[in-house]
Amino acid sequence: DAKTTQPPSMDCAEGRAANLPCNHSTISGNEYVYWYRQIHSQGPQYIIHGLKNNETNEMASLIITEDRKSSTLILPHATLRDTAVYYCIVAGGGADGLTFGKGTHLIIQP
Amino acid sequence: DSGVTQTPKHLITATGQRVTLRCSPRSGDLSVYWYQQSLDQGLQFLIQYYNGEERAKGNILERFSAQQFPDLHSELNLSSLELGDSALYFCASSAGQGRTEAFFGQGTRLTVV
Repeated sequence: DAKTTQPPSMDCAEGRAANLPCNHSTISGNEYVYWYRQIHSQGPQYIIHGLKNNETNEMASLIITEDRKSSTLILPHATLRDTAVYYCIVAGGGADGLTFGKGTHLIIQP
Repeated sequence: DSGVTQTPKHLITATGQRVTLRCSPRSGDLSVYWYQQSLDQGLQFLIQYYNGEERAKGNILERFSAQQFPDLHSELNLSSLELGDSALYFCASSAGQGRTEAFFGQGTRLTVV
């Protein structure tokens, strides 16, 4: 699976959009971009995933660049409950276990 | 609530002992994954089962083993426990073998003393 690079931490004001970047320059054609988050020591929570096109669901939007070498997760109206570690994961065929890196610790400020 | 149930929530045991962690996947999910999260190693994939068969192995120690039963629940067996095995153990399930989203349980916190 391709490696990802994320900033270790970010701050965002409550009510504003939180934009979390992820670089995955070695992504291959059949690999998807997945985002999960982990609030304190709870189980990781699936957020969204995509291959080429931008995706949106009730939690977030995922913007993938045309060359697929980077992506941005957007939480449109961040709340204090969105404070968590956010993991960007690139995964495709082969073994199905996800490889979690260190993620980005997003802190939402009141 | 992810629909994945793990028991027990907490477990304290002594070095050298053996424990079994249990996971019930979401209804209809055929794949079960086990992960270990310790302070120094982060979230590490251990092993995956699909419909009763081992599908993929990650960084699982030889002292650890798992199985998935006909009713699709899974158990992770940890033996000859060491202090370093203290960690959160998560189970996740997904519908199939491929890259579908995985849903995680709330974990079992294992403390080896």
